[in-house]
This record gives sequence, C-alpha cells and structure tokens, in this order.
Amino acid sequence: AAGVIQSPRHLIKEKRETATLKCYPIPRHDTVYWYQQGPGQDPQFLISFYEKMQSDKGSIPDRFSAQQFSDYHSELNMSSLELGDSALYFCASSLESFLAGRASYEQYFGPGTRLTVT
Amino acid sequence: DAKTTQPTSMDCAEGRAANLPCNHSTISGNEYVYWYRQIHSQGPQYIIHGLKNNETNEMASLIITEDRKSSTLILPHATLRDTAVYYCIVRVAMKTSYDKVIFGPGTSLSVIP
Repeated sequence: AAGVIQSPRHLIKEKRETATLKCYPIPRHDTVYWYQQGPGQDPQFLISFYEKMQSDKGSIPDRFSAQQFSDYHSELNMSSLELGDSALYFCASSLESFLAGRASYEQYFGPGTRLTVT
Repeated sequence: DAKTTQPTSMDCAEGRAANLPCNHSTISGNEYVYWYRQIHSQGPQYIIHGLKNNETNEMASLIITEDRKSSTLILPHATLRDTAVYYCIVRVAMKTSYDKVIFGPGTSLSVIP
C-alpha cells in the first residue's frame, strides 16, 4: 500500500540558511500534519492542514512556514536556520472517513527528514 | 485531551505476550484511546484505537476497562522487531482542532531474545 513520502530524507544546512521539506500524503488523504522530534525527545506537533487550509498550529517558530498545495502535498519552509533546528521532521496524513459507522482518524507517518544544521 | 500515564520502560521475552498498561483516569466520554509506536528514528506507526469495547487487529489487541480509566495494549507474540517506544494517547476522534497527536512520555519496550 502507498505510504507517506517525504523528501529529502537527509538534509545538511548551515546556520542562517533556508530549507524546504516536502511531504506527499497517502492518495486521497485530505489532512497533513508536521511534527518535529529533537534528539531524545518525543515528536512535537508543528502545524496541520485540512483541504489546503491551515487547521491547527502548535509550537512552530515564526521562522517556519508551511502550506498545502492543490495536489495535497505539503511543504515546510524553514528560514534563518539555527543549530537547535536540527531534528527529525515527520509528516503524517489522515483521511476523515467513516467505516461501518465508526470514525477513523488515525494518522499515518512518513519516514521523516533528518535535518542537520551546522 | 486527557493525560495518560505509562511505565517508562518494560522488558518482554521474545515469543511471549507483551502487555503494556496505560492509565487515563480523566478520559472524557467522547475521547478514544489510541496507541502508536516508534521504532528507533522511524516515523511513528499507528497500532490500534478504541472507545469502550475491546479491539483486535493484525498487530495487537486493546483491552479497555469498563470504567475506561485504563487500558492495556497486548502484543500476543512479541518479536525483536517490536522493540520500540509505545505511546498511549487519548483524543477526540473528530474533525476539530484536536486532530493532532500529542505524544507524551511513552513506554520503551525491549524485547529480549
């Protein structure tokens, strides 16, 4: 079955540079989420989009922005990179659906992008 | 979302059942219990979820107490590949601002040969 695709898988940037992470959700999924996981930490929610509109916002720095495009893929743009931005960045997608009368909102995560800022 | 409490770590012998407990005493009536796991440096993986009835799928079983204040995730025959951090999360399963998954300290399960 198709899974969430993230690119690139690894990215090395220097301080003050910019980075763009891409996420391609599972086909027909309408919602995309971004999470950041620092070394030794649990994943932390950054931002989400439903039907190309921002649906929720977490602890995302003002230096970061994101959007979801008409084909439902999403991009996380990170500017003025800092050493502390080094982390794993996960994208997840979900579909609002009802299966046999039950809501189903599980999120499916991609393999992540490992960003290293030097 | 309600807060959950899980053991920090657990060991399980390969081939035996792994029983991972979770306390969620403040769970609301419209909140589901979800379980995810994260194998080292991989993306979190959805395992199972339930409201009040016990649930089973190809990966695991979920047992929820009648008062819904606690639950147990059961991996019937643990393998080395089940070594991971397991997160128990309670959340409202509807299209609201609560869609995000809030990962708290989970249980680090080590399956031992």
